[in-house]
Amino acid sequence: IAGITQAPTSQILAAGRRMTLRCTQDMRHNAMYWYRQDLGLGLRLIHYSNTAGTTGKGEVPDGYSVSRANTDDFPLTLASAVPSQTSVYFCASSASPGANVLTFGAGSRLTVL
Amino acid sequence: QKEVEQDPGPLSVPEGAIVSLNCTYSNSAFQYFMWYRQYSRKGPELLMYTYSSGNKEDGRFTAQVDKSSKYISLFIRDSQPSDSATYLCAPGDSNYQLIWGAGTKLIIKP
Repeated sequence: IAGITQAPTSQILAAGRRMTLRCTQDMRHNAMYWYRQDLGLGLRLIHYSNTAGTTGKGEVPDGYSVSRANTDDFPLTLASAVPSQTSVYFCASSASPGANVLTFGAGSRLTVL
Repeated sequence: QKEVEQDPGPLSVPEGAIVSLNCTYSNSAFQYFMWYRQYSRKGPELLMYTYSSGNKEDGRFTAQVDKSSKYISLFIRDSQPSDSATYLCAPGDSNYQLIWGAGTKLIIKP
C-alpha cells in the first residue's frame, strides 16, 4: 500500500537523550515535511525538504534537525530531548514542493520525561 | 490572535443530522482553503478544498468560503457515525504555505 511509514509508533524518552524518528515514503514524492501536533494547537511545521539533498526550517525548528539523503527517507532527530518536545509527530509528503495536497503518516507519539 | 480559529468542540449530533463546521481566519492573502479529516490516532487525510470564494460540493460534503468575512465552513449532510473525527481547516496563501486550525472534534451518535 502506497504511503508513508513512520517509526516508532510510540516512544518514552528520558530528557537529554538523542532520538531519531524515521519516515519513509514510497510514492516518489519530491517534498517531505515534519509537523508536530499538540492539544489545542494546529499542526506546526518543524522542517521541510523540497527535494532530495535540500532542507529548510519551518515554524518551530529549534531542537530538531533533518536530513534528506534520498527521495524516500526523511528522518527527524532530536539531539537532546526536552519535556517540551513531548508531542505527536507527523511526517507528510507532497508530489511537488508547497503543494496543498499532503499525504500524512500515522504519527509518532513521543513522551519526554 | 491565532491566524486560524476553530471551535475545538466536541460537537455531538445524532446520526442523520446536518453538521456545520466553521473556521475564521485573519490573513486576507489566503487563497486556498483545505479541509482535512483526522481519525483518532491517525494522520490527517485530505477531505476537500476550494480555491477563492464560493461553494464546492463532493457527495455529502460541501465546503463554503466567504472571503469578505474571512469565514470557512464545511457542511456534512446525512451524517454517519463513520464521520466521527476531528476536522482541520488549513487555509493557504499563493506560496502554498498552509496555516492549520487546531481542529473541531465531531461525534455522530448512532
